[in-house]
Amino acid sequence: AQSVTQLGSHVSVSEGALVLLRCNYSSSVPPYLFWYVQYPNQGLQLLLKYTSAATLVKGINGFEAEFKKSETSFHLTKPSAHMSDAAEYFCAVSSNDYKLSFGAGTTVTVRA
Amino acid sequence: NAGVTQTPKFQVLKTGQSMTLQCAQDMNHEYMSWYRQDPGMGLRLIHYSVGAGITDQGEVPNGYNVSRSTTEDFPLRLLSAAPSQTSVYFCASSPLSSNQPQHFGDGTRLSIL
Repeated sequence: AQSVTQLGSHVSVSEGALVLLRCNYSSSVPPYLFWYVQYPNQGLQLLLKYTSAATLVKGINGFEAEFKKSETSFHLTKPSAHMSDAAEYFCAVSSNDYKLSFGAGTTVTVRA
Repeated sequence: NAGVTQTPKFQVLKTGQSMTLQCAQDMNHEYMSWYRQDPGMGLRLIHYSVGAGITDQGEVPNGYNVSRSTTEDFPLRLLSAAPSQTSVYFCASSPLSSNQPQHFGDGTRLSIL
């Protein structure tokens, strides 16, 4: 069984400030981890994925995430927030059965 | 490429009515799935398929049916709509590999009165 916990349902940051979104997972086998972004009234778009090649993963739009096995975490960061980063972000985990389990999501608001 | 196409984008039903949500993909992906998205609950898996003729239940399958007669299409049927099925429904597809990301459609916003 696998599951994902996202800490904080809402995060508000100032433009130019660090964005940090937290994700912890549980999985009985080595996981594959994903971050998706959802803009209003749209589907989900892939930001980045971890598939065991490297623990620090770089994604689109300046986002990156670090896989820490000892902490079962996969936190998402961006050094400098932009107004266009306002969206909902989902962490997801997959194991060997192709199915994705999603966290509850974190809504990011960017203040001018 | 169109990717994953869902129709309709919006629908309002009365309790007890039935309908089919359509999903088509043009990427020759073996894996297809349906999710529902409700506030504060993320996306929950309804049904999934690993290839034509093969379907299985996800986390919340009750009240929904699926079939997979072709690789491209994966329709979701609501048998007798209930207000609890008011939600946003997403279809997704991917190659048959757990390390490959799923590609999502734009969703169908369904309201049951």
